[in-house]
Amino acid sequence: DAGITQSPRHKVTETGTPVTLRCHQTENHRYMYWYRQDPGHGLRLIHYSYGVKDTDKGEVSDGYSVSRSKTEDFLLTLESATSSQTSVYFCAISEQNEAFFGQGTRLTVV
Amino acid sequence: AQSVTQLDSQVPVFEEAPVELRCNYSSSVSVYLFWYVQYPNQGLQLLLKYLSGSTLVESINGFEAEFNKSQTSFHLRKPSVHISDTAEYFCAVYGNQFYFGTGTSLTVIP
Repeated sequence: DAGITQSPRHKVTETGTPVTLRCHQTENHRYMYWYRQDPGHGLRLIHYSYGVKDTDKGEVSDGYSVSRSKTEDFLLTLESATSSQTSVYFCAISEQNEAFFGQGTRLTVV
Repeated sequence: AQSVTQLDSQVPVFEEAPVELRCNYSSSVSVYLFWYVQYPNQGLQLLLKYLSGSTLVESINGFEAEFNKSQTSFHLRKPSVHISDTAEYFCAVYGNQFYFGTGTSLTVIP
């Protein structure tokens, strides 16, 4: 299995609080992605990174920010969590011809 | 830009029957094509991929997919399904980033 670790695996938070999810890789892959998975929507890209300090928005980036200060870590921050951000979040890494996924983080905003 | 359409959101099939999960894509550039499988409460795992060469690709557990450039399709097939094939299946394309379909839930009925 590719070395991807997401933390935390589960989190319950209150509306309006900031939340940070962490993705850590040991593969030294250049590309890292954050997706959210919701019923009927499949996987939707939130943000991605193509190198240290190089990030770009995906299709559902509103309300989210990311940072990548080291090759191995990609952080996803919800500045002020809302109930619509209740979802399962997946981190992925790739080197163009294959993507490897973490186990996911189940986030519930109450 | 690329996009992926999975034509069936749910596919029920009896054990040992054949199955086809449909995937169409659109792209203005050459792409790589993938099928991923997600078992309950897990991340996505690569099932098979088409990068170049033979248009028919196979997985180790009996699935196969055929790249059809003229029809822009990459349908997934298995001649005889098992209970253990029950899962969510995602088609994906990679051009400059990964794009995923909305997923097909395959349920194998005993």
